[in-house]
Amino acid sequence: DSGVTQTPKHLITATGQRVTLRCSPRSGDLSVYWYQQSLDQGLQFLIQYYNGEERAKGNILERFSAQQFPDLHSELNLSSLELGDSALYFCASSVAVVGSYEQYFGPGTRLTVT
Amino acid sequence: QKEVEQDPGPLSVPEGAIVSLNCTYSNSAFQYFMWYRQYSRKGPELLMYTYSSGNKEDGRFTAQVDKSSKYISLFIRDSQPSDSATYLCAMSSPIAGTALIFGKGTTLSVSS
Repeated sequence: DSGVTQTPKHLITATGQRVTLRCSPRSGDLSVYWYQQSLDQGLQFLIQYYNGEERAKGNILERFSAQQFPDLHSELNLSSLELGDSALYFCASSVAVVGSYEQYFGPGTRLTVT
Repeated sequence: QKEVEQDPGPLSVPEGAIVSLNCTYSNSAFQYFMWYRQYSRKGPELLMYTYSSGNKEDGRFTAQVDKSSKYISLFIRDSQPSDSATYLCAMSSPIAGTALIFGKGTTLSVSS
């Protein structure tokens, strides 16, 4: 158990809908990262937050957004969903922005768009 | 050319074998190298973390980094059926921040 929690475990929804994925980092970790894992693309970095502020963006679509709250939990919002958004979404956390590259992953949310 | 290349396998070995998993990369700015293990439908689990070149050993696992060749390896000694999983290499550079760039993973199967 990494100490990172994610809810829900599974999500099935229809095209055009909007969903919210939730992540709680390990106790003491200030950085939260979101990754998408698909069969063809592998694990791809989406976005990072550090202590409530956005720090880095990767291959995140404009239809996707995220935020980190004062209690450090984070939410990833996916809107206008398409079939191609079906994937595993992972949250990871680490202690600090710089100097700590060890990231610990949660169990993931499996999103199926029908 | 992708930043990180990893042979997807599958790799099948008998119990007790020594396993060698490898990744190559193109970005010379990478300085932090990690190996993750991922069981089916689970989150990646951090196995090894190495900074710059050299070797690091932890139990049955040894990680090697050769920055001159842009090549990293993970060796598993005395492999067990419980080692059957997908192994992902990941790397990062201070310039890119702390986001990890992953290989696509190698699927390993250890038979008893």
